[in-house]
Amino acid sequence: RKEVEQDPGPFNVPEGATVAFNCTYSNSASQSFFWYRQDCRKEPKLLMSVYSSGNEDGRFTAQLNRASQYISLLIRDSKLSDSATYLCVVNIGNTDKLIFGTGTRLQVFP
Amino acid sequence: NAGVTQTPKFRVLKTGQSMTLLCAQDMNHEYMYWYRQDPGMGLRLIHYSVGEGTTAKGEVPDGYNVSRLKKQNFLLGLESAAPSQTSVYFCASSYSTGGRARETQYFGPGTRLLVL
Repeated sequence: RKEVEQDPGPFNVPEGATVAFNCTYSNSASQSFFWYRQDCRKEPKLLMSVYSSGNEDGRFTAQLNRASQYISLLIRDSKLSDSATYLCVVNIGNTDKLIFGTGTRLQVFP
Repeated sequence: NAGVTQTPKFRVLKTGQSMTLLCAQDMNHEYMYWYRQDPGMGLRLIHYSVGEGTTAKGEVPDGYNVSRLKKQNFLLGLESAAPSQTSVYFCASSYSTGGRARETQYFGPGTRLLVL
């Protein structure tokens, strides 16, 4: 089993739609969870951290389910500019190292 | 404030040639990292450094060497390039607090390397 698994997509959604991505992780000792965004041929950039209680940043909501070992990202009112690849990132147990998922590609169309 | 920069942006090598990729950051970060990104594989950690003068192996270190002689620079070397090292290479850096890396990593724009 991969340490971090994501559905590669692509998810093709119209503007204004709500879309959700899930990501599963295998190491139950992992403590830190993140969503990064990567535009085509660009570097990854932090979108948001994922907290145990769940957190929201504008149209973006992240959730953590430790029992089932997955995190989720919900995007409401999708914009064309949300088109990108979303990387699920998890730290390795109690270390400083991060494991990056292969990403979920989102394409928002007019 | 340039953040994290990488040179070169693109390079073509022949098998067996050597080269050095340079990463520089102006944010006074303690931790620096080198990753490679291949289709369907995600980002994989090659080597990392927790401070000036220190380096450690990541997930895929074979065929690469690194040096961190100055806090702001992290060099990645390929001694004898192989086609399997064709990839996009990203450098990243992060703060540290209490001896642990702050998880937010700031990435450079990447170096595209083609080994023929």
